[in-house]
Amino acid sequence: DAGVIQSPRHEVTEMGQEVTLRCKPISGHDYLFWYRQTMMRGLELLIYFNNNVPIDDSGMPEDRFSAKMPNASFSTLKIQPSEPRDSAVYFCASSAGNGVTFGSGTRLTVV
Amino acid sequence: QQQVKQSPQSLIVQKGGISIINCAYENTAFDYFPWYQQFPGKGPALLIAIRPDVSEKKEGRFTISFNKSAKQFSLHIMDSQPGDSATYFCAASIRRDDKIIFGKGTRLHILP
Repeated sequence: DAGVIQSPRHEVTEMGQEVTLRCKPISGHDYLFWYRQTMMRGLELLIYFNNNVPIDDSGMPEDRFSAKMPNASFSTLKIQPSEPRDSAVYFCASSAGNGVTFGSGTRLTVV
Repeated sequence: QQQVKQSPQSLIVQKGGISIINCAYENTAFDYFPWYQQFPGKGPALLIAIRPDVSEKKEGRFTISFNKSAKQFSLHIMDSQPGDSATYFCAASIRRDDKIIFGKGTRLHILP
């Protein structure tokens, strides 16, 4: 079991650029979550999917953020255009009824 | 609105001592209360979890105490070890696979 796989591990980009974060959930897991972690706000849920369908996106900060899950083994979180305040660690997590497993995260720095 | 309040923000405990982290919640619809442990550079990992029909759950050195009437729960780490030094998050959700609401975290440091 390779766990939840996120890429890239680190991303540095300039303000205004598009950023795409990628996630491969654990095979067989039917829930997928995107979280953001900052010192000030802690762990915040951005959006989650069940069987590839978005269930709750109320945590997505604004229209600059979008997430997709085209199939059961892949999801993306896109920020366009990126801003310095988007700098954070973004976690993907998945679940199949036995608790939520997190990936190692993508550390995003927007300069 | 902070649905899960956690304290303290940071905690220093001597090796062999008991570490205690407290949490309180507001939403009575919450039915699943996990604790997560996070090491630097890693994602949070599920440590132990409890449902409100149980007042206590123990796994090894880790114990959750739950007080439904007070809407409070706590994590006790017995015989704390330097390897326990990490950030601990309490959390709550309506169902085990539903969105998890996290507390702000407690940075625990165990002195060798």
